[in-house]
Amino acid sequence: AQKITQTQPGMFVQEKEAVTLDCTYDTSDPSYGLFWYKQPSSGEMIFLIYQGSYDQQNATEGRYSLNFQKARKSANLVISASQLGDSAMYFCAMRELTGGGNKLTFGTGTQLKVEL
Amino acid sequence: GAGVSQSPSNKVTEKGKDVELRCDPISGHTALYWYRQSLGQGLEFLIYFQGNSAPDKSGLPSDRFSAERTGGSVSTLTIQRTQQEDSAVYLCASSLGLSAYEQYFGPGTRLTVT
Repeated sequence: AQKITQTQPGMFVQEKEAVTLDCTYDTSDPSYGLFWYKQPSSGEMIFLIYQGSYDQQNATEGRYSLNFQKARKSANLVISASQLGDSAMYFCAMRELTGGGNKLTFGTGTQLKVEL
Repeated sequence: GAGVSQSPSNKVTEKGKDVELRCDPISGHTALYWYRQSLGQGLEFLIYFQGNSAPDKSGLPSDRFSAERTGGSVSTLTIQRTQQEDSAVYLCASSLGLSAYEQYFGPGTRLTVT
């Protein structure tokens, strides 16, 4: 079974609008971390936001917030007030802290295009 | 400050040749990771180091792949007898330690096997 599922291969959003990128995960490890990375066309992976499985509050970093619903095993990324520079590939990833060592397991990504 | 650097940025090699890919982590980062990004397989973990030791080599796809890290800093990923399916972008990341959750990625090495 896929550990990280991103069901939206591509998304479009108008500039200044908010957009939600979906991510669901599958793990039996009680201790895990969830990440979102941005990969622009230049290729570099840019860390955006992190949510720990025991964190009580949803993580926020500037215009990025993570909508963490533990019971549903979802960790959607919300980008508010989209900008043209947000156009990129976005990856959801998970680190299983008990049994998975330190490796990140990635989803297949969502290509976001911000339009005028 | 300087980020993670990788060299070469691009490498074209003939099938059957050996290649070495280099990663320079952020100064002071003790943990180092190698990932591979390819069209068919997405982003996949290869190996990670804590200091000079590699506790987890589970992601290396075959015994043609090996990696080492010396002096707790630079790491080299070696692919022997390259095959066309090895064509991918090889990404290196580093973090302050195994407990640090944020991994900082380098720009990657694009490997093309002809």
